[in-house]
Formats: sequence, C-alpha cells, structure tokens
Amino acid sequence: DSGVTQTPKHLITATGQRVTLRCSPRSGDLSVYWYQQSLDQGLQFLIQYYNGEERAKGNILERFSAQQFPDLHSELNLSSLELGDSALYFCASSFQGSPGNTIYFGEGSWLTVV
Amino acid sequence: GEDVEQSLFLSVREGDSSVINCTYTDSSSTYLYWYKQEPGAGLQLLTYIFSNMDMKQDQRLTVLLNKKDKHLSLRIADTQTGDSAIYFCAEEGDSGYSTLTFGKGTMLLVSP
Repeated sequence: DSGVTQTPKHLITATGQRVTLRCSPRSGDLSVYWYQQSLDQGLQFLIQYYNGEERAKGNILERFSAQQFPDLHSELNLSSLELGDSALYFCASSFQGSPGNTIYFGEGSWLTVV
Repeated sequence: GEDVEQSLFLSVREGDSSVINCTYTDSSSTYLYWYKQEPGAGLQLLTYIFSNMDMKQDQRLTVLLNKKDKHLSLRIADTQTGDSAIYFCAEEGDSGYSTLTFGKGTMLLVSP
C-alpha cells in the first residue's frame, strides 16, 4: 500500500459526460501528480500541483482540469468525454515535488467511456 | 524531447536471472526509476538510482547505469513466478520539477 488513495476505482460513463476523479496523497506529501495510462500512449504525465499551486503541465487536454485543495487532496475533472479518454488514471504524490523526491502512485481509477 | 525505450517482452524460467533494459535520451536526467505493475494494480516503486552512480543493489535487484550510453538495466536474481509483471523504466529530468517520463514497459513472464 503506497498510501495514495484514489476514488473511484472503476467508472463507466457515456460520451459527452463529465467525471471527477479524487486523490488523497500520502500523509505529509505536498505534491500531487496525475498520469494517464492507455494502451496506445502508455503512461503520460498530465499535471503536477505543489501545496495548492500548479507546478508543471504535461499532455493534459483542455477538456481536462485539476486542482489541489488546502487539505492537499486533488481532483481531476474530465469533461466532454470521448471514447479515447478511456484509460487508467493514476494519482501520485511526493514530499516536495522536487527531483529526487520519491514519487508514490495510487492504484488508479479505471475510466471506461461508452 | 525526452524519450525512454524498453523492449516489450521478456520470458525466463523460475530461478534464472532476468535483465530488463532501458535506454533514455535526456542527458540531464537526474534520477532513474524502476516501477512494477501487476495485473489490475497500481505502480509499485521498486528502486531508483541517482545519475552519478553506476550501480545500486537492493536485495535481489541490481540496477546498472551507463550514463555515457544512456542505458539502464534492472537485474532480478533468482526470478520467481511472483515477479511476473510489467516493469517500467522512468527518468526524471533536472527542470526543477519532479515529473517522470516513462517507457512503454517490459512484460516479464516467469515460467515454472
């Protein structure tokens, strides 16, 4: 158990809908990351937050947004969903979000868009 | 841009050693990581190595880094059937941000 908690574990929704994925980082970690894992793209970095502020942005679509709250939990919002958004979405956390800070991953949220 | 390459599949017999290879392109990589993903599970951090090291050993795991050739390998000694999983190599640059670039993963199949 990494200590990173993600909900829901599985989600099935229709195209055009909007979903929110939730993440609680490990106790004491200030930085949260979101990654997307799909068969064709592999593991792609989406976005990183540190202590409530956006720190780095990767291949995140404009239809997706995220935020980190004062209690350090994070949410990833996915809107206008398309079939191609079906993937495993990982949240990860690290202490300060600097190189060398070990990044621990949650078990992921499986999203299926039908 | 940054790129991490791994062979897709490796099959070994139980008790043998497994060697999973990885190459990367970012010469400014500071840390390199190995993660393990079992079916339906998350990513488990196995080990990591700082870029100024050549080797790191952790129980059955040995990581070798050739920085000149940008080549990283993970050796698993006395491989067990429970080691069957997908192994991901990841590199972390020196941008000041801690983001990882992953390879596509190597599926290790251990047969009895």
